[in-house]
Amino acid sequence: QSVLTQPPSVSGAPGQRVTISCTGSSSNIGAGYDVHWYQQLPGTAPQLLIYDNNNRPSGVPDRFSGSKSGTSASLAITGLQAEDEADYYCQSYDSGLSGYVFGTGTKVTVL
Amino acid sequence: EVQLLESGGGLVQPGGSLRLSCAASGFSFSSYAMSWVRQAPGKGLEWVSAISGSGGRTYYADSVKGRFTISRDNSKNTLFLQMKSLRAEDTAVYYCAKDIVVAANSYYFDYWGQGTLVTVSS
Repeated sequence: QSVLTQPPSVSGAPGQRVTISCTGSSSNIGAGYDVHWYQQLPGTAPQLLIYDNNNRPSGVPDRFSGSKSGTSASLAITGLQAEDEADYYCQSYDSGLSGYVFGTGTKVTVL
Repeated sequence: EVQLLESGGGLVQPGGSLRLSCAASGFSFSSYAMSWVRQAPGKGLEWVSAISGSGGRTYYADSVKGRFTISRDNSKNTLFLQMKSLRAEDTAVYYCAKDIVVAANSYYFDYWGQGTLVTVSS
């Protein structure tokens, strides 16, 4: 059902760097639509984490960064902290579907 | 402070109907498109529907087209989702979200409500 593909899970020790990939196609990311990322803490609503590929809303730590290239994007978390344990979703727009599309979601575990 | 507060969820039988509401505050409601996004239990996020700021344009995911209707009352700063012919697979937490559209290549949600649970079961 999800149009954008993410790894189901990633993990790392406190202080480490982890990355989450988001793979799309020529009708969404590859068509030039920007990629955005959301963090969903357990039992809560999603929150905007990164917008327009690599911009952080006010209040988001600079440990979070995003990038985009071709038909893919990625989210990096440096200096991993226990509070970063959450589900992360990428999101873009798809011209073929004429609607918003989400990634499959990635669970980040802090070891 | 932007606030989005959903209501109207509950238990409904297959084939039944339900109307969700989302009360918005803290921003110029009529200036922004709004969306509904759902999340089935233990699953990922799925965009459901969107509506322009004026209410003149609406958009739907294929999974709900013809069964769900999005609308808004800008005089009351409220967003609605009328759901008909509900199926078990419509069971989910439904979030309303404030849309941001920039330069025709950037579409995202900058604020989300806390969600309302819809359960379709006999």
